Amino acid sequence: DVKVTQSSRYLVKRTGEKVFLECVQDMDHENMFWYRQDPGLGLRLIYFSYDVKMKEKGDIPEGYSVSREKKERFSLILESASTNQTSMYLCASSWTSGRETQYFGPGTRLLVL
Amino acid sequence: QKEVEQNSGPLSVPEGAIASLNCTYSDRGSQSFFWYRQYSGKSPELIMFIYSNGDKEDGRFTAQLNKASQYVSLLIRDSQPSDSATYLCAVNISGGFKTIFGAGTRLFVKA
Repeated sequence: DVKVTQSSRYLVKRTGEKVFLECVQDMDHENMFWYRQDPGLGLRLIYFSYDVKMKEKGDIPEGYSVSREKKERFSLILESASTNQTSMYLCASSWTSGRETQYFGPGTRLLVL
Repeated sequence: QKEVEQNSGPLSVPEGAIASLNCTYSDRGSQSFFWYRQYSGKSPELIMFIYSNGDKEDGRFTAQLNKASQYVSLLIRDSQPSDSATYLCAVNISGGFKTIFGAGTRLFVKA
């Protein structure tokens, strides 16, 4: 079974803090994705990566950065957390083609105070 | 802005009935279509995918795709209370890496 894990299920941070969210997948998938999910807005793509050290902006990249130094690991970084970044963050991975299913991690619920 | 639209619901059906969930999309070049189920507090999991016009059946689930009308639907036969969840429609944009998700339809199956 594909397994996607995320470093934390719940996080509480202060405004201005630097926040790291980590995602690891064990299926040798090329593609990895970071989404945020907010009520009524669905999943919105923040960044994705199709290979090690490669990244592409999604629909809402402002205030976020990413890092992919190893194929199995994709990190999302909030350089200076703000209250409007309070959300559920979901990581996903897939095989190389855009036709492939995305497998999601359990999510990290982030609260920024 | 490429969009995927779903009725947010809630859609309420009695146990044993057919639940019909609909989704429309704006990009005519879309090639791959997915239905994910998301239980409250959990992450999305794939139910079905469909690439070609017509129907695709898997157990109690049937996905229907009509590219000319730009809609995709999911039918759940013999609905069970355990089917109560939010159903997300997802569309892969023109074969690229990006998949657009709808906001989801909440389904309640009453015992």
